[in-house]
Amino acid sequence: GEDVEQSLFLSVREGDSSVINCTYTDSSSTYLYWYKQEPGAGLQLLTYIFSNMDMKQDQRLTVLLNKKDKHLSLRIADTQTGDSAIYFCAESFTMNRDDKIIFGKGTRLHILP
Amino acid sequence: EPEVTQTPSHQVTQMGQEVILRCVPISNHLYFYWYRQILGQKVEFLVSFYNNEISEKSEIFDDQFSVERPDGSNFTLKIRSTKLEDSAMYFCASRVRDPAETQYFGPGTRLLVL
Repeated sequence: GEDVEQSLFLSVREGDSSVINCTYTDSSSTYLYWYKQEPGAGLQLLTYIFSNMDMKQDQRLTVLLNKKDKHLSLRIADTQTGDSAIYFCAESFTMNRDDKIIFGKGTRLHILP
Repeated sequence: EPEVTQTPSHQVTQMGQEVILRCVPISNHLYFYWYRQILGQKVEFLVSFYNNEISEKSEIFDDQFSVERPDGSNFTLKIRSTKLEDSAMYFCASRVRDPAETQYFGPGTRLLVL
C-alpha cells in the first residue's frame, strides 16, 4: 500500500543545517515532494524530485533520493527562523490516471536561537 | 503568478447543516482535487475530478460529500449533513493536463462544526 513516514519533530540551531527524513513504501511513485506549512497557512510547494533523479538542489534546499532504500531527505542549509514550519513529505503517481498525492504526517521544525 | 483561491477562509456551522466550500482553480488547469487536514494530522486525499466527473475518491468521500463544477471557473465541495468529525482544513488543488506537472494548492478553508 501507499504510505509515507517521517519523524514528527526536529529542533535545529539557527545557522545550522536541518535534515528532514522521510521513507515511503510504494516504489512506483513518480514524484516526491516537500511541502511547507506555516501556522494557520496553506501548503507551499518547496521542491520536488522526479523519481529517476538522485539529487536536486535549489538555493538552500537539497533533496536526496535513495530509491533502493525508499528514502527521501530535505536538507535546509543555514537554517533561519523563517524556516520554522511543518514540512510534509509526499509522493504521487502522476503517470497514472489516479494521481492523488499521498502525504506524510509532517515534521515540525523548531529553530533554536 | 496565477494561484488557486478558496472561499471562505473560515466557516463555522452547526452539526447537521449543509456547507459548500468554493474553489477557483488556475484558469488553464483541467484536473481538480480536494484534500482535507484534520487538526494535527496528515493531509488526506478526498477526491479528484476531470472532464466533469469524479476520477477517484477515497474512503472518506462517502455519500454526504459531493463535488461540482457549476461553471467554467468554480469547483465546489458540498458536505450535505456535517458531523463534528468533518471539522478540518479543506484544500483545493488543480493541475494542467500534463501529468508531469504538479498540483497547485489553494490556501484552504478551515471548517469548524459545532
